[in-house]
Amino acid sequence: GQQLNQSPQSMFIQEGEDVSMNCTSSSIFNTWLWYKQDPGEGPVLLIALYKAGELTSNGRLTAQFGITRKDSFLNISASIPSDVGIYFCAGQLTEKLVFGKGTKLTVNP
Amino acid sequence: DAGITQSPRHKVTETGTPVTLRCHQTENHRYMYWYRQDPGHGLRLIHYSYGVKDTDKGEVSDGYSVSRSKTEDFLLTLESATSSQTSVYFCAISGRAGRSYGYTFGSGTRLTVV
Repeated sequence: GQQLNQSPQSMFIQEGEDVSMNCTSSSIFNTWLWYKQDPGEGPVLLIALYKAGELTSNGRLTAQFGITRKDSFLNISASIPSDVGIYFCAGQLTEKLVFGKGTKLTVNP
Repeated sequence: DAGITQSPRHKVTETGTPVTLRCHQTENHRYMYWYRQDPGHGLRLIHYSYGVKDTDKGEVSDGYSVSRSKTEDFLLTLESATSSQTSVYFCAISGRAGRSYGYTFGSGTRLTVV
């Protein structure tokens, strides 16, 4: 089946640093999505991307839909303690999403 | 909240017993999904539904069954619980396929099989 390779698996950073994570796939997708999961909760949608090459921002978050439609990245600028959590990428071609395994972010104050 | 509720939030059950988890939505969305989340595996699709009485299998469907008799409710049943089914289960809903705004997830059910 389709798989997404999400990296890195985990990150330990200092407050104020910028963060970058990415997802790659052997399959193309029509939509790329980025979710964040806080401990004990379900994932929450951060950013949705619908067009190859699209660059979208949501506050300190910026995400891009790769030109080949097989990859996407998420950047977080000037990290703060509440950025802690697991970030998931997801690709969509049909009614089902395919998820990456997540990037666990730890922010040290 | 987004109008999706999972129950129970926590459950401990014994091996071999049947267990049913419930997902209830108030958004009138067509698509509903059940995922399990395990360390190192991310989110894996168990079953999904694309309408009342219309369901299909996901990648890890063995040992699970689902039912959707009403738009708002999607039930996941572990027919005979095993320790390998200890996990956190998430329900998700979506209003559209194709160009969509992604899923909305419930808060999860933490199931422990002892």
